[in-house]
Amino acid sequence: AQKVTQAQTEISVVEKEDVTLDCVYETRDTTYYLFWYKQPPSGELVFLIRRNSFDEQNEISGRYSWNFQKSTSSFNFTITASQVVDSAVYFCALSEERNTGFQKLVFGTGTRLLVSP
Amino acid sequence: GAGVSQSPSNKVTEKGKDVELRCDPISGHTALYWYRQSLGQGLEFLIYFQGNSAPDKSGLPSDRFSAERTGGSVSTLTIQRTQQEDSAVYLCASSRTGAYNEQFFGPGTRLTVL
Repeated sequence: AQKVTQAQTEISVVEKEDVTLDCVYETRDTTYYLFWYKQPPSGELVFLIRRNSFDEQNEISGRYSWNFQKSTSSFNFTITASQVVDSAVYFCALSEERNTGFQKLVFGTGTRLLVSP
Repeated sequence: GAGVSQSPSNKVTEKGKDVELRCDPISGHTALYWYRQSLGQGLEFLIYFQGNSAPDKSGLPSDRFSAERTGGSVSTLTIQRTQQEDSAVYLCASSRTGAYNEQFFGPGTRLTVL
């Protein structure tokens, strides 16, 4: 069965600090996809990144970077030089390939990030 | 372009009443999903539509929950005889077909059952 674990319930940092959000997943499939979503106080989930199971290259997008390691089943998310606007709940999610093209996302419980000035 | 929209944004109802929640997906997205977000349960998958058919209804918590989609576009989630444990934020998402495609989420409908 699929499972996503985000062990950090809440993290508080001061602006400009770097912060890493952990994500550990479980799946029996060889083909799967990992996602990170951001949910700001407004409530709308915003897509951040997708990774497929065959691509272990790390990715950097501005202050955001992601580290995907199949050996440890982890897909961690780092924010460099955090800003107050980064305050949100961040969700890691997993989906498995299905013949129907159906993507059923299994979410972690989320990590609330609080960035104070 | 326009994103996923949901209505109403908030709904307060009395226990035992029926409610309908609406979702307008992004134009051209064939896949539509309903999720529920509550404090105790996190984000739970409810149902998935491909076009107007629902190949996977496995997440619907009881037979009081039903959903339909018409014209490959708008979807309605109906909860009959609401219970207090139905209180949650109901999120709708849409995507292009394919497990690799990201889902775009609407702002949600906050349902409160008194």
